[in-house]
Amino acid sequence: EDKVVQSPLSLVVHEGDTVTLNCSYEVTNFRSLLWYKQEKKAPTFLFMLTSSGIEKKSGRLSSILDKKELSSILNITATQTGDSAIYLCAVHGSGNTGKLIFGQGTTLQVKP
Amino acid sequence: NAGVTQTPKFRVLKTGQSMTLLCAQDMNHEYMYWYRQDPGMGLRLIHYSVGEGTTAKGEVPDGYNVSRLKKQNFLLGLESAAPSQTSVYFCASSYELAARTDTQYFGPGTRLTVL
Repeated sequence: EDKVVQSPLSLVVHEGDTVTLNCSYEVTNFRSLLWYKQEKKAPTFLFMLTSSGIEKKSGRLSSILDKKELSSILNITATQTGDSAIYLCAVHGSGNTGKLIFGQGTTLQVKP
Repeated sequence: NAGVTQTPKFRVLKTGQSMTLLCAQDMNHEYMYWYRQDPGMGLRLIHYSVGEGTTAKGEVPDGYNVSRLKKQNFLLGLESAAPSQTSVYFCASSYELAARTDTQYFGPGTRLTVL
């Protein structure tokens, strides 16, 4: 059965800290891995990763995929209180249905 | 573009009542999805559709039905609501995956409480 596991499940840091969120997966016919940020409402798209070793960056956020280890990390440097959110990892598995398999999410709280 | 919209935003039902959640998208997306989100469980797929007139079961389909009569709309129905269906429901849509550059766009969610 396809599975996506995120760690840690929750994290509390102070402004300015750097955090690393982990996502590991077991899926049939991996196609892509996506990271979403969810504040109070709908998840918003951060990154899509399809190739190993290529870092994607957006401001203070970056992510990389390791297909050998079946995992991905999301880094946030110089955290701010606005980074407080649930970070969701999802993977496209087998078939052409577009179905995403989501992890449980990591809840990040950044304290001033 | 409004993107993906959902109605209603909130609803309280009594056990046994029925209701329909409406999802609409104006991006001409082929694929649409209904998820539920419960604390500590991420998002779980209920049903999805790969085109007008087609629907399929996801991970947790029991107790729900769906219809996709028009490409832009995807309806989620609860025929006889149960307290276990108390959750936040998200609709999403996406293009076809041919180019492998897809992502799903989410609506704002519907918070449903079943008493």
